[in-house]
Amino acid sequence: DAGITQSPRHKVTETGTPVTLRCHQTENHRYMYWYRQDPGHGLRLIHYSYGVKDTDKGEVSDGYSVSRSKTEDFLLTLESATSSQTSVYFCAISEILGLDDTEAFFGQGTRLTVV
Amino acid sequence: EDQVTQSPEALRLQEGESSSLNCSYTVSGLRGLFWYRQDPGKGPEFLFTLYSAGEEKEKERLKATLTKKESFLHITAPKPEDSATYLCAVDRGSYIPTFGRGTSLIVHP
Repeated sequence: DAGITQSPRHKVTETGTPVTLRCHQTENHRYMYWYRQDPGHGLRLIHYSYGVKDTDKGEVSDGYSVSRSKTEDFLLTLESATSSQTSVYFCAISEILGLDDTEAFFGQGTRLTVV
Repeated sequence: EDQVTQSPEALRLQEGESSSLNCSYTVSGLRGLFWYRQDPGKGPEFLFTLYSAGEEKEKERLKATLTKKESFLHITAPKPEDSATYLCAVDRGSYIPTFGRGTSLIVHP
């Protein structure tokens, strides 16, 4: 299994509070992603990173920010949590190892509830 | 905009009853199409990557195929342990997978 650890695994927070989710990898992969998964929507990309301090927005980036100061860590921050951000958040990693070896590997997910 | 549509949304099979899941896509310049399996409460688990039309890959009871417009995941003689949600994703060369909504498969003993 790819070495990806998400923390926390579960969190309940109040509306308006900041929240930071952490993704840690031991594979030294260049690409890291944050997705959210909601019923009826599937996996939607929030932000991604293609290197240290190199990040970009995905399709549902409003209300979220990210940082990547080290290869192994990718942080997702909800600046002021809202109930619409209640979801399961997945981190994924990938690397271009060859033409036939570029798939993404996922962490176990973080279940976030905003009350 | 890349589009990935999976059908059916849900599928119930009896053990041993073979079937296929569909993933149709609209993407300019497909680099790769991925299949994942996701069990409840867990992250998606990688199954296959397909790169060009006509390509096929197999793993145990699963076989994935690819055409220029769609991919099929064929499940032969499924067992209850094959019950899961199966996700399809496409990448057009940006190394950013775009996912479909998945097919929930239940195999009854």
